[in-house]
Amino acid sequence: EVQLVESGGGLVQPGGSLRLSCAASGFTFSSYWMSWVRRAPGKGLEWVANIKQDGSEKYYVDSVKGRFTISRDNAKNSLYLQMNSLRAEDTAVYYCARGRYCSGGSCYYFDYWGQGTLVTVSS
Amino acid sequence: SYELTQPPSVSVSPGQTATITCSGDKLGDKYVCWYQLKPGQSPVLVIYQDSKRPSGIPERFSGSNSGNTATLTISGTQAIDEADYYCQAWDSSVVFGGGTKLTVL
Repeated sequence: EVQLVESGGGLVQPGGSLRLSCAASGFTFSSYWMSWVRRAPGKGLEWVANIKQDGSEKYYVDSVKGRFTISRDNAKNSLYLQMNSLRAEDTAVYYCARGRYCSGGSCYYFDYWGQGTLVTVSS
Repeated sequence: SYELTQPPSVSVSPGQTATITCSGDKLGDKYVCWYQLKPGQSPVLVIYQDSKRPSGIPERFSGSNSGNTATLTISGTQAIDEADYYCQAWDSSVVFGGGTKLTVL
């Protein structure tokens, strides 16, 4: 059974940092793209970042570029999101998700998700 | 940037058919997927590549995509289907619709 378990969320002051982790099990972690997706209170889903199987390619939504870093440790079956210079608008539940590309790269979707971890940025 | 538009809410009576739309420019040229979100639970993929159902998803969930509109249809809607539903497409990056709250009453 595929399982994704996030951790590391909490309350942080504006300008602060936080590192989220996602422990994966039930599948060959090193064979899949992985992603972070967030949902701010009262708002919709927003994709945050993707990382290729070997970590050689990383992509970010414009609003977090230069502040967030996605990484992975395939030996530990773990995905990470280092979040720096946090802002109030980063307050959200952050989900770890397994990514799938359609053949030919014509689409990308998330076939398994974790339960999420809440990040609150407030003074 | 590419945008997907969903109605904020849809209501349906138990046993009836629920239809949730997702609109975008030439959306029929892209693949669309749909997610179900319930409070306190992990999001669930219910439709991918316009109309494919992942294993474990009931047959009452179906999808279509043509022109500028993709549609998620839930036939014989049950109380357990009450949730938020999001469409998603790929336009050089991931794009989500704003979400639709499905109420079964």
